[in-house]
Amino acid sequence: DVKVTQSSRYLVKRTGEKVFLECVQDMDHENMFWYRQDPGLGLRLIYFSYDVKMKEKGDIPEGYSVSREKKERFSLILESASTNQTSMYLCASSSRGGGEQYFGPGTRLTVT
Amino acid sequence: TQLLEQSPQFLSIQEGENLTVYCNSSSVFSSLQWYRQEPGEGPVLLVTVVTGGEVKKLKRLTFQFGDARKDSSLHITAAQPGDTGLYLCAGALAGGSYIPTFGRGTSLIVHP
Repeated sequence: DVKVTQSSRYLVKRTGEKVFLECVQDMDHENMFWYRQDPGLGLRLIYFSYDVKMKEKGDIPEGYSVSREKKERFSLILESASTNQTSMYLCASSSRGGGEQYFGPGTRLTVT
Repeated sequence: TQLLEQSPQFLSIQEGENLTVYCNSSSVFSSLQWYRQEPGEGPVLLVTVVTGGEVKKLKRLTFQFGDARKDSSLHITAAQPGDTGLYLCAGALAGGSYIPTFGRGTSLIVHP
């Protein structure tokens, strides 16, 4: 079975803090994605990566950065957390052909 | 404008009832996926449909891809409380990016 794990299930941070969310997949997938999910807005793509050290902006990259130093690991960084970044963050991976995505369990981030 | 429109947005039914969820677009997709997401968890892939007119069954769930590959439906027979969750459709545009587009989801509650 494909397994995607995320470093934390719940996280509470203060405004202005730097936040790291880490995602690891064990299926040797080329593509990895970070989404945020908010009620009424659905899944919104923040960043994706199609190879090591490669990254592309998604629909809402502002306030976020990413890092992919190893194929299995994709990190999302909030440089200076703000309250409007309180959300559910979901990591996903897929094979090079795309289509089917496999998601991690999510990180519920609260910024106070 | 949402590329993939899901309807209904919310559904609250009694155990044993049948239901259908729709996923519609004016665009053609090379493939379409259905996911189920339980509260506080990440989406889990249920099925992928690829061929126009294709029908796939997963126990009490029947998935259909439209002949023109622009729409899909999910039918649940004799719904059970365990079917409760958010149902998401997602598709990769034909001839386009491998990055899937997600619908906003249908929230289903099945009461015992």
